[in-house]
Amino acid sequence: GNSVTQMEGPVTLSEEAFLTINCTYTATGYPSLFWYVQYPGEGLQLLLKATKADDKGSNKGFEATYRKETTSFHLEKGSVQVSDSAVYFCALKGLTGGGNKLTFGTGTQLKVEL
Amino acid sequence: GAVVSQHPSWVICKSGTSVKIECRSLDFQATTMFWYRQFPKQSLMLMATSNEGSKATYEQGVEKDKFLINHASLTLSTLTVTSAHPEDSSFYICSAPGQGSMNTEAFFGQGTRLTVV
Repeated sequence: GNSVTQMEGPVTLSEEAFLTINCTYTATGYPSLFWYVQYPGEGLQLLLKATKADDKGSNKGFEATYRKETTSFHLEKGSVQVSDSAVYFCALKGLTGGGNKLTFGTGTQLKVEL
Repeated sequence: GAVVSQHPSWVICKSGTSVKIECRSLDFQATTMFWYRQFPKQSLMLMATSNEGSKATYEQGVEKDKFLINHASLTLSTLTVTSAHPEDSSFYICSAPGQGSMNTEAFFGQGTRLTVV
């Protein structure tokens, strides 16, 4: 079945530091890949997505590239801000067997300090 | 973009009572909605898939009689936690898949923090 593995947190960074959150997946075929962000006390919001190999999703300074050869979708940001503190979830949606179901990673909490 | 509204955002109830959580798609129709449960510092666990006009599909290990799901219309799905106990305390989130050009996305409600005392 489908699965998503992402690095454990919490990740604590200073403001303006470089961020990488690793995400790898297992799926049949060519799934769509997503990063969702969850701010404290809120639901999930789509941060970015990529639907085919070599696509790069980007939003709010965050980027992730769909790497089929390494089955990865690592999240990066060049300079984080305190307001980026949240939990980040990597997810995939497979083309077969799962319909519209999303499979989530365990989430990585990011704390950005001044 | 599409908006999913979930209500209430938080609720405290006594052990043994039932709690209803509503999930509405505000500007689009959703024939399917998903209900997730999130434990502290853990990922989202899919509980069930709500289908308009038919029975919900529950994931393995989720009690159907405990978590009643009703998809009454194309814009409303409800989750009722029956005879709630403290171990049911959790964060519940609904989502609806996008339609048309947004069919690769899912739109999430704000979540409901349930505390059973």
